Amino acid sequence: GDSVTQMEGPVTLSEEAFLTINCTYTATGYPSLFWYVQYPGEGLQLLLKATKADDKGSNKGFEATYRKETTSFHLEKGSVQVSDSAVYFCALSDAPLGLVFGQGTRLTINP
Amino acid sequence: DGGITQSPKYLFRKEGQNVTLSCEQNLNHDAMYWYRQDPGQGLRLIYYSQIVNDFQKGDIAEGYSVSREKKESFPLTVTSAQKNPTAFYLCASTVIGSRQPQHFGDGTRLSIL
Repeated sequence: GDSVTQMEGPVTLSEEAFLTINCTYTATGYPSLFWYVQYPGEGLQLLLKATKADDKGSNKGFEATYRKETTSFHLEKGSVQVSDSAVYFCALSDAPLGLVFGQGTRLTINP
Repeated sequence: DGGITQSPKYLFRKEGQNVTLSCEQNLNHDAMYWYRQDPGQGLRLIYYSQIVNDFQKGDIAEGYSVSREKKESFPLTVTSAQKNPTAFYLCASTVIGSRQPQHFGDGTRLSIL
């Protein structure tokens, strides 16, 4: 079946550092890809999405490009802030079974 | 504002007891989902429903039951048959169609007394 593999965490960076969280997937069709963010004790919030190859999703300074040739959807941000500390999930759509999630990457940003 | 409301935020279960977690959405979404999240892990699908009065098992349905009597409501019952129920439970919904993101509630944390 479809699956998502994320870079293992935890990841700890200093404020203003460059962030990359790797995500690769396997899928039989052409899924949509998503990044979700989860703050402590809360549900998941959609961070960005891409629905077809070469699409770039972006939001709040985060970006990810749907790379069909490498089956990847890496999350990047040029300059992280303390407020970006959270758990990040990569996911693909697998209708009608909902989303298939990676295991999550915990990100901590130190001032 | 439209959204998904889960209640309660915290729930405690005694041994041998069934408990029900509430999920209500006012987004007019057809599809609703229940996920379980364990510490340091991703989300696993328990049940999903695409239409009223119909629902399907996900990857870890054993020990859980659901109903979908109304479009906006999708309650989850954790039965006494679920031997390890301590987890964070998330409800989600979306429009029908694989390319739409899911919207999530704020979750219910279930613990055993």
